[in-house]
Amino acid sequence: ETGVTQSPTHLIKTRGQQVTLRCSSQSGHNTVSWYQQALGQGPQFIFQYYREEENGRGNFPPRFSGLQFPNYSSELNVNALELDDSALYLCASSLGLAGVNTDTQYFGPGTRLTVL
Amino acid sequence: SQQGEEDPQALSIQEGENATMNCSYKTSINNLQWYRQNSGRGLVHLILIRSNEREKHSGRLRVTLDTSKKSSSLLITASRAADTASYFCATVSNTGGFKTIFGAGTRLFVKA
Repeated sequence: ETGVTQSPTHLIKTRGQQVTLRCSSQSGHNTVSWYQQALGQGPQFIFQYYREEENGRGNFPPRFSGLQFPNYSSELNVNALELDDSALYLCASSLGLAGVNTDTQYFGPGTRLTVL
Repeated sequence: SQQGEEDPQALSIQEGENATMNCSYKTSINNLQWYRQNSGRGLVHLILIRSNEREKHSGRLRVTLDTSKKSSSLLITASRAADTASYFCATVSNTGGFKTIFGAGTRLFVKA
C-alpha cells in the first residue's frame, strides 16, 4: 500500500457532463500529479501541483482543471466530458518537486471513468 | 507523443530466466524511474536513477542509464511468475514546468 487513496473507484458519466475525481496524498507530501491512462497505453501526464499551485502541465485542454488543498487532498475536474475521456485516472504524491531531488512518486489505485 | 519508448512491447519468458526491457527518451532529464503495474491498477515505483548515475541495483533489479544515447534498460534476474506485469519507464524534466513522461510500457509474461 502506498498510502495514497482515490475516490470513487469506478464512475460512469454521459458525454457533456462534468466530473470531479478525488485523491488523498500521503501526509507531508507537497506535490500531487494527475495522469490519464487509456487502455493498453502508458499514463499521460495531465498536471502537477506543488503547495496548491500548478507548476507543470501536459497537453490537456483547459477543461481539465485541478485543485490541491492544505490537508493533502486534491481534485481533478473535467468539464464537457467526451467519449475519449474514458480512461483510468491516477494521482501520485511525492514529498517535494519530482525531478529536483530523488523524489519517488506514490500512486493511488486509480479511478476508472467511463463516458457514454 | 510519448517521451519514453519501451522495447519490446511484449516479452514472454520462462520462470528463472532474465528479462531485459529498454527505454529511450528524447529530451534532457533530471532522473528516470521505472514502475510496475498489475492489471491496470496503480503503479508501483521500482527504482529511480539520476541523470549523473550510470547503474543502480535493487534486489533482482538492475537499471542502467546512458544519457549520451538517451536510453535506459531494466534487467530482472531470475524472474518469477509474480513478476508478470507491465513495466514503464518515466522521465522527469523541468523544461517549461515539471513534467513526468511515461512510455507505452513493456508487457512481461513469466510462465511457471
